[in-house]
Amino acid sequence: DIQMTQSPSSLSTSVGDRVIITCRASQSINKFLNWYQQKPGKAPKLLIYAASSLQSGVPSRFSGSGSGTDFTLTISSLQPEDFATYYCQQSYSSSYSYTFGQGTKLEIK
Amino acid sequence: EVQLVQSGAEVKKPGESLKISCKGSGYRFTNFWIGWVRQMPGKGLEWMGIIYPGDSDTRYSPSFQGQVTISADKSISTAYLQWSSLKASDTAMYYCARRSVYDLPLYNYYGMDVWGQGTAVTVSS
Repeated sequence: DIQMTQSPSSLSTSVGDRVIITCRASQSINKFLNWYQQKPGKAPKLLIYAASSLQSGVPSRFSGSGSGTDFTLTISSLQPEDFATYYCQQSYSSSYSYTFGQGTKLEIK
Repeated sequence: EVQLVQSGAEVKKPGESLKISCKGSGYRFTNFWIGWVRQMPGKGLEWMGIIYPGDSDTRYSPSFQGQVTISADKSISTAYLQWSSLKASDTAMYYCARRSVYDLPLYNYYGMDVWGQGTAVTVSS
């Protein structure tokens, strides 16, 4: 299986901050990288697919970049509703085993 | 409206069997792969496996191969996740999700764009 490693595991931040979360794959995955947001008690929500494409309806303060093994999710100006846990996921695997990173929890400072 | 609706919460004893469901509506169910994801209490997302309802082609994560069975009944637009003998460690929230295909230059990319609301499974003696 392709391993996905996110950093940091948690981040104490404030409204208005610029936030960057990183995700590293154990092998090259081209741009087959998705980002999800999960709020407590809710299902995950797709934010970014293909490393940098914004899913329909997602605010433009979210952006993604990267290719190969290193990727980032950036929130340009954190809003109160953005405090959540964020996961990366690779969808490169030819065996359709689409592994997730361990998650990054954004907490209010 | 495109949606996936999962069956309700379950409380089971170790050794019992269980089958939970995920019903799709608002789109052509047979044209999209459906994945299953586990989330143990207070933990992250774990990929379990995926099925193509059109022909029931099924792929499992190595961690879950032999531990669960994924199936689908395309006649009623429903995917299933089942256990033959539950363990306490199967206690978790289980989500189904639809895999969409994004047609971009050079490649088709994949993302899980529609999720069920989750099914909580509790296994306790």
